[in-house]
Amino acid sequence: DTGVSQDPRHKITKRGQNVTFRCDPISEHNRLYWYRQTLGQGPEFLTYFQNEAQLEKSRLLSDRFSAERPKGSFSTLEIQRTEQGDSAMYLCASSLRGGGETQYFGPGTRLLVL
Amino acid sequence: RKEVEQDPGPFNVPEGATVAFNCTYSNSASQSFFWYRQDCRKEPKLLMSVYSSGNEDGRFTAQLNRASQYISLLIRDSKLSDSATYLCVVNDFNKFYFGSGTKLNVKP
Repeated sequence: DTGVSQDPRHKITKRGQNVTFRCDPISEHNRLYWYRQTLGQGPEFLTYFQNEAQLEKSRLLSDRFSAERPKGSFSTLEIQRTEQGDSAMYLCASSLRGGGETQYFGPGTRLLVL
Repeated sequence: RKEVEQDPGPFNVPEGATVAFNCTYSNSASQSFFWYRQDCRKEPKLLMSVYSSGNEDGRFTAQLNRASQYISLLIRDSKLSDSATYLCVVNDFNKFYFGSGTKLNVKP
């Protein structure tokens, strides 16, 4: 399967714990995006990488959130000291610069904070 | 004000009907535009890009009106399989803003 993959698909955690999600983009894609989606809403942009450089961060991304893409391939999104309001679907997407900006989404990681 | 606004619907239409969705965006400098489709509990998938001259892909037609800052999607001859949420997406310098989506239910 050469699509975008995300791990884990589901995560249940207690408030105050740290969680980390992984995204593996389509192999030749140099752009990678993280989004958060809650019920009844569209995906909200969180951050964007071009290769290993984090070029944009949303104001939604508080200090408790950090994302990395150390070698320009897979990316991780960490949430520290989780809060119940962090419960959402976290989506990763990748695209190829110069490839028409089409984003291909992974299946998402559904987070539930108890 | 939200960057992208859509009527949430739902639009309930019979098979074979023609249905149209609109979407408005706030930044006149937005660079590119898309419609994505999202099925329940699935990830969004690109339906079509939206070009200034308008574009068509089978039963789907997308239009962009930059002067009025709105985007439209027309679906002709609706199929049961068209039932989904349709997301309007605007690209502002590589930050992609999604609308909340318009839900379409196509009934037999």
